[in-house]
Amino acid sequence: GAVVSQHPSWVICKSGTSVKIECRSLDFQATTMFWYRQFPKQSLMLMATSNEGSKATYEQGVEKDKFLINHASLTLSTLTVTSAHPEDSSFYICSARDLFMAPEESHNEQFFGPGTRLTVL
Amino acid sequence: AQSVSQHNHHVILSEAASLELGCNYSYGGTVNLFWYVQYPGQHLQLLLKYFSGDPLVKGIKGFEAEFIKSKFSFNLRKPSVQWSDTAEYFCAVKTGGYNKLIFGAGTRLAVHP
Repeated sequence: GAVVSQHPSWVICKSGTSVKIECRSLDFQATTMFWYRQFPKQSLMLMATSNEGSKATYEQGVEKDKFLINHASLTLSTLTVTSAHPEDSSFYICSARDLFMAPEESHNEQFFGPGTRLTVL
Repeated sequence: AQSVSQHNHHVILSEAASLELGCNYSYGGTVNLFWYVQYPGQHLQLLLKYFSGDPLVKGIKGFEAEFIKSKFSFNLRKPSVQWSDTAEYFCAVKTGGYNKLIFGAGTRLAVHP
């Protein structure tokens, strides 16, 4: 159980185009999903927290107009990188919390997707 | 601001050697602590977690970690590593009522047969 998928697993695009990345919780419902960015040989940096049915909360320094997040259902969140540039090339990872786990567990554990590697030419 | 530091960026061991990876955090209040592992080409997996009770936590694959509150530490240990433990290990902290995880920079472990 507690599987999170991402699509696509990798994408190459031209500078100036927009790219959409999907994050799905396959066997559980997630009120909250998180989007991270991981640069080579570096740690995961939280970009934003996505709550179903409400606006995402962005971390300091993350442009909300560039990284559009939509969390339309309890099993799907999308991240759209708008007008992508080479410096946006990175590994994007989502995670999700299980709504129906025991309260103390759901408060604390996130399940991670496999990540999406974005390369902007 | 909260931060997590992992002392070793790269560790190379031979099989059967003992492992200890350091993790320290900066936050004075209640914390939840995690160790995640990322095998080559795979997604992050939870190794173990601490949120209350016994400060010595046992996780999967023979790993354990000890929460020492006075030292703000949560070091990961394994008495005898295997080649299959080759991976990157991340320590993470969640503080107070916040949902978000703060990750350390990670430690790359290479185990030679």
